[in-house]
Amino acid sequence: NAGVTQTPKFQVLKTGQSMTLQCAQDMNHNSMYWYRQDPGMGLRLIYYSASEGTTDKGEVPNGYNVSRLNKREFSLRLESAAPSQTSVYFCASSEATPVSEKLFFGSGTQLSVL
Amino acid sequence: QKEVEQDPGPLSVPEGAIVSLNCTYSNSAFQYFMWYRQYSRKGPELLMYTYSSGNKEDGRFTAQVDKSSKYISLFIRDSQPSDSATYLCAMSAYSSASKIIFGSGTRLSIRP
Repeated sequence: NAGVTQTPKFQVLKTGQSMTLQCAQDMNHNSMYWYRQDPGMGLRLIYYSASEGTTDKGEVPNGYNVSRLNKREFSLRLESAAPSQTSVYFCASSEATPVSEKLFFGSGTQLSVL
Repeated sequence: QKEVEQDPGPLSVPEGAIVSLNCTYSNSAFQYFMWYRQYSRKGPELLMYTYSSGNKEDGRFTAQVDKSSKYISLFIRDSQPSDSATYLCAMSAYSSASKIIFGSGTRLSIRP
């Protein structure tokens, strides 16, 4: 099973350039998430989508936009990249359990903005 | 002050040792507690989760929650080189994954 697939794995941008990070899951999960991971900061939620057709801001949404294209796909767009957006980006999806929701992560995209 | 504090390490121990990883938190409303394991250049994967206080055991791994002290621990018995990874604690006051707060992670290295 592929699980959560992210593309690309690595990207280098110049300040002001735009790009879209792609994410797809094959587990039929309703909810999908975008996180960024920075040294000493832990994982921080950028945006999430609780179901197809809905998106909501997380802790650090500024400078990003998202699109829930269908149930499988959730993309993250940087319209005008800044050096502060240099980070590792993770997409995740979640399934409900009897106690709470369980997150499944992709392998990440390492983004450098010069 | 961060809501969740975790010693970044790195922590290096010999194979076979008992490892103790810890997190402290400030929000008394947290009731869902998780540990994720993250191998280098990979995404985190859920290792253990506990609801409210108490212990939970799964093979060589034991998770402990002490809500009175706002302190959670992960113990690894008979540690193996394959346990070398970064361990992230995570917690939430709600069952929704969108409310999870992650610690910054502890890097663990098991020496053969």
